Amino acid sequence: AQTVTQSQPEMSVQEAETVTLSCTYDTSESDYYLFWYKQPPSRQMILVIRQEAYKQQNATENRFSVNFQKAAKSFSLKISDSQLGDAAMYFCAYRTGANSKLTFGKGITLSVRP
Amino acid sequence: DAMVIQNPRYQVTQFGKPVTLSCSQTLNHNVMYWYQQKSSQAPKLLFHYYDKDFNNEADTPDNFQSRRPNTSFCFLDIRSPGLGDAAMYLCATSRDPQGSNQPQHFGDGTRLSIL
Repeated sequence: AQTVTQSQPEMSVQEAETVTLSCTYDTSESDYYLFWYKQPPSRQMILVIRQEAYKQQNATENRFSVNFQKAAKSFSLKISDSQLGDAAMYFCAYRTGANSKLTFGKGITLSVRP
Repeated sequence: DAMVIQNPRYQVTQFGKPVTLSCSQTLNHNVMYWYQQKSSQAPKLLFHYYDKDFNNEADTPDNFQSRRPNTSFCFLDIRSPGLGDAAMYLCATSRDPQGSNQPQHFGDGTRLSIL
């Protein structure tokens, strides 16, 4: 069975600084996709960034980038120039190419200090 | 804007009294999902529809049922809510995800309270 591990329950970052959220996963599949979702308090869960396992290049979306280490089964999210609006719960998620179901990690609560 | 809409945002029901939560989408996605999310936890998939095909998770209690009368709408029915069913219920949709990087799109959720 596939598992997604987010070992840090909470992190804090100073506004304008950079923070990295870690995620590891376990799978025997070769075709899969990885996602980071953001869920602000009492607000909608939204997609932050996604990565295809077959792509060697790390995905980037503005201030958000990933460090995808396929051999190590690691998928960390880097947030640059942190903003107050980045404060939220962040979930790492995994899906195989043949399956529509997402496997979520437990999430990490990120706070941003002004 | 195309979106996933859940109604109501907040629902209060009595212990044992049936309740229905609704979800609609304007994205024309063929897959719809229902999740249960308790405080500070990851969403837990209850079931999903792939077009008209219903897919139940093995550990979803029989108390939870779902209906999808058409592409746009999906309902979550809780036949006899217990105190442990108090949670946020999230609806999500996606295009056919097989072999693609299609993400899931989430609604705002319905927070269910049980008295």
